[in-house]
Amino acid sequence: AQSVAQPEDQVNVAEGNPLTVKCTYSVSGNPYLFWYVQYPNRGLQFLLKYITGDNLVKGSYGFEAEFNKSQTSFHLKKPSALVSDSALYFCAVRPAQFSSGSARQLTFGSGTQLTVLP
Amino acid sequence: GAVVSQHPSWVICKSGTSVKIECRSLDFQATTMFWYRQFPKQSLMLMATSNEGSKATYEQGVEKDKFLINHASLTLSTLTVTSAHPEDSSFYICSASFGMSTDTQYFGPGTRLTVL
Repeated sequence: AQSVAQPEDQVNVAEGNPLTVKCTYSVSGNPYLFWYVQYPNRGLQFLLKYITGDNLVKGSYGFEAEFNKSQTSFHLKKPSALVSDSALYFCAVRPAQFSSGSARQLTFGSGTQLTVLP
Repeated sequence: GAVVSQHPSWVICKSGTSVKIECRSLDFQATTMFWYRQFPKQSLMLMATSNEGSKATYEQGVEKDKFLINHASLTLSTLTVTSAHPEDSSFYICSASFGMSTDTQYFGPGTRLTVL
């Protein structure tokens, strides 16, 4: 079974500083990896995904993530944090190859609350 | 593009009543829709997966007779919470995907259900 770990419940960073939100995963075979952001009382917004190719993936709002197969990690990064980046971030995974339709479902991490301090 | 809407955004109902939540893909045809439940400060828990025109696949522990899912068209799926009780109070979120193997799930804004 696939799983995702987000080891930090809370990350605090000063505005203008770089930020990193950590994610490690476990899946059979090659992974499809996703990052989503959730603002209070809202649904999830897609940020970026890794399917194949370049390990560094660039997404919305200046975010990027690096796929590291040997460390089974997909950490989310941004060079310069904004106060408006404060939100709840979710990492998700599913296997690239599957035999049943239900395996297309995403498995989410527990979420990391990012607070950017002015 | 890839906008998903949910209606209502919030609903308060009395215990024992049924509540229907709609999920619509506004600018694409969604062959697959997913329904999630989220408790405060927790992650999303998948409840069921529905494909247009076929019965939904429920996750283990989810009562299919209590959470009725209908995916009648490529742009609409509904979740009906039947005989709601206070423990059903939660944030319900749907997502939709195009149906390709590499597809992304696009999420609705969620529905806050409070059962009194």
